[in-house]
Amino acid sequence: GIQVEQSPPDLILQEGANSTLRCNFSDSVNNLQWFHQNPWGQLINLFYIPSGTKQNGRLSATTVATERYSLLYISSSQTTDSGVYFCAVERNYQLIWGAGTKLIIKP
Amino acid sequence: DGGITQSPKYLFRKEGQNVTLSCEQNLNHDAMYWYRQDPGQGLRLIYYSQIVNDFQKGDIAEGYSVSREKKESFPLTVTSAQKNPTAFYLCASSPADRGPDTQYFGPGTRLTVL
Repeated sequence: GIQVEQSPPDLILQEGANSTLRCNFSDSVNNLQWFHQNPWGQLINLFYIPSGTKQNGRLSATTVATERYSLLYISSSQTTDSGVYFCAVERNYQLIWGAGTKLIIKP
Repeated sequence: DGGITQSPKYLFRKEGQNVTLSCEQNLNHDAMYWYRQDPGQGLRLIYYSQIVNDFQKGDIAEGYSVSREKKESFPLTVTSAQKNPTAFYLCASSPADRGPDTQYFGPGTRLTVL
C-alpha cells in the first residue's frame, strides 16, 4: 500500500523561529491534507492541498504532486503552534496518515 | 453549537471485558469514521460508515465492532478479542459529498486496559 513519511520526527524551536515540515508519499493520490493535533489530542484540519500552494496566516503549504511531496511552512512560531503535525493522503476513500512531526516551541 | 462529542474522555477496563465508546455528531454529516492512534504513530482506520445501517472495515477492524442505527451516532465496541486495546480513539465525520476530504474530529477517548 501507499507509504506516507514525514520528517523530521521531532523539532524543537524557539518562539519566533521559522520551520519547514516535509511529507513524502509513495504513489499518486487523490488529495493531501495537513492536520495539527494539540497537546490534548484535538485534531484540526489545516490545509486541503492536492497540488499547488495555499496560505493561511503564518502557515502555508505546497504540494508538488508530480514529485510526491508536500511541505508545511510555519513562520514566526508561537508556543500555541506546539503539537504534532500530520499529513494524510486519500486513496480509495480512505485517509492514509504519516507518523507526524512533533513540534515544540519554547518561549 | 455544532460538533462531535466523544465520551468518556478517559476509560479504564479490565482485560477480557468489552467496552463501548460513544460518538455523537450534530453536523448532519452522512459519513462517520473511527480511528485508533498509538504513541508516536499516525491514525489508523478501524471502521467507517457512509450511510445509516451500513459500514465498512478499515485497516485494523479485528477485535472491534460498530453499529450505525442513527445518522448522529456511531458507537465503537472494543471486544475482548482485541489483543492490545490500550490506545487513543478518535471519531470523525464528514459530509457525504466530500468524503474523507473534510473530516471533523471529536476530542477523543483514551482507553487503558488494566
